[in-house]
Amino acid sequence: GNSVTQMEGPVTLSEEAFLTINCTYTATGYPSLFWYVQYPGEGLQLLLKATKADDKGSNKGFEATYRKETTSFHLEKGSVQVSDSAVYFCALSDFTSGYSTLTFGKGTMLLVSP
Amino acid sequence: SAVISQKPSRDICQRGTSLTIQCQVDSQVTMMFWYRQQPGQSLTLIATANQGSEATYESGFVIDKFPISRPNLTFSTLTVSNMSPEDSSIYLCSVLRDRDMFFGSGTQLSVL
Repeated sequence: GNSVTQMEGPVTLSEEAFLTINCTYTATGYPSLFWYVQYPGEGLQLLLKATKADDKGSNKGFEATYRKETTSFHLEKGSVQVSDSAVYFCALSDFTSGYSTLTFGKGTMLLVSP
Repeated sequence: SAVISQKPSRDICQRGTSLTIQCQVDSQVTMMFWYRQQPGQSLTLIATANQGSEATYESGFVIDKFPISRPNLTFSTLTVSNMSPEDSSIYLCSVLRDRDMFFGSGTQLSVL
C-alpha cells in the first residue's frame, strides 16, 4: 500500500534560518505529491504540489521537488519567519481507484523563534 | 480553490451523547471526505461521501458509529455517536476539486 514518512519534529529554528523537512514515500504507480500546512487551531491548507517526476512545487517561498529516483519530496525554504510556525504534512494521492484519496505522513511541527 | 465552512469549530461533550458536524462548500462538488486527526497524529480517512449514495467507510470505521449524510452537492454531515473519551479528536471535512483536496477548518471535539 501507499505510505509517507516524514522527519520527526519538532524542528526548532531561528528566524531567517534555512528549512528542510524530509519526506519520502512508497506508492504504486505515479502519485501526486503535496505539502499541507496546519496553523495552530486551524484546518489544513494546501501549500504546494507536484504531479510528476522532476516537477517543482512552490508557494510563499517554500519549494519541493518530486524526485522519483529517491522517492522523495523534501520541503525547503531559504529564510523562515516566525509566522511559518505550524505543522507541515507531506501527502500523496493516486487515482488508481478513479478518484483521489490522500495518504498523509505524521506531520512535522516547525517552531521559529525571533 | 474551495471555501469550506465547518460547524461547530469546537465542542465539549459528555460520554454517551452524539454530535453532528456540518460541512458546507461554496459550490457543487461530487466527492466529500471526512477525516479524523487524533491528538499528535496524522489524518485518517473515515469515509467518502457521494451525493445520492451510501457513504463508503474505511477499515475500522462503521456507519453505526459515524453516520454520514450527503443530501446535496454542497453539504454533508458527520455524526459521532455514543461518544467516549477515545473519540476526542479533530474532525475535518474535505472536498476534491480539480484533482486537489481542500479542507475545512476542522471541529475540535473533547469528550469527558
